[in-house]
Amino acid sequence: GENVEQHPSTLSVQEGDSAVIKCTYSDSASNYFPWYKQELGKRPQLIIDIRSNVGEKKDQRIAVTLNKTAKHFSLHITETQPEDSAVYFCAASRYTNAGKSTFGDGTTLTVKP
Amino acid sequence: DAGVTQSPTHLIKTRGQQVTLRCSPISGHKSVSWYQQVLGQGPQFIFQYYEKEERGRGNFPDRFSARQFPNYSSELNVNALLLGDSALYLCASSLVDRGNTGELFFGEGSRLTVL
Repeated sequence: GENVEQHPSTLSVQEGDSAVIKCTYSDSASNYFPWYKQELGKRPQLIIDIRSNVGEKKDQRIAVTLNKTAKHFSLHITETQPEDSAVYFCAASRYTNAGKSTFGDGTTLTVKP
Repeated sequence: DAGVTQSPTHLIKTRGQQVTLRCSPISGHKSVSWYQQVLGQGPQFIFQYYEKEERGRGNFPDRFSARQFPNYSSELNVNALLLGDSALYLCASSLVDRGNTGELFFGEGSRLTVL
């Protein structure tokens, strides 16, 4: 089955700095890679996703890059703000069945004012 | 529109007991998935149901079962509870378009504590 590894497990940055979180996956059939943000005590919420037919996707301060050959994808957050502090999860699945996603173990991002 | 709703939000059980967790998907969403999230880890896939049929099962023992009703709501049942079943159980629904399961929308979860 699919296996997703996520690094780092914790990340602390100063407000305004950039943050990068990396994930690797094992199943070459996976073609859908979402990122979820989970604030303390709340539900995971999708912040950005990418399909394997593109290498990069941006949405304001957030971007995701995908390297299919190396089987890794990364989340980039620029100009970090204290409200970006949360746990971020990457996931991998087939786009035809994202209901059966494999998640990484999460990265706790702390943005210091 | 209401999001994904789950009940109960918190519950405490003792070892050996049985528990039923409930999930109502977003209106129009026909796919419901269940995930177990142990503290400090990512959600782990348990089941997916689509159009009342099981579409996938994760690596969980037979003590775990689920079903989906005609209104697309779903129940997760866990029998013979073990201490290790203590976790946040998340339900996620999605709109299936031309066979593709899109973005997952999660509920707030049911936090189960087994004593």
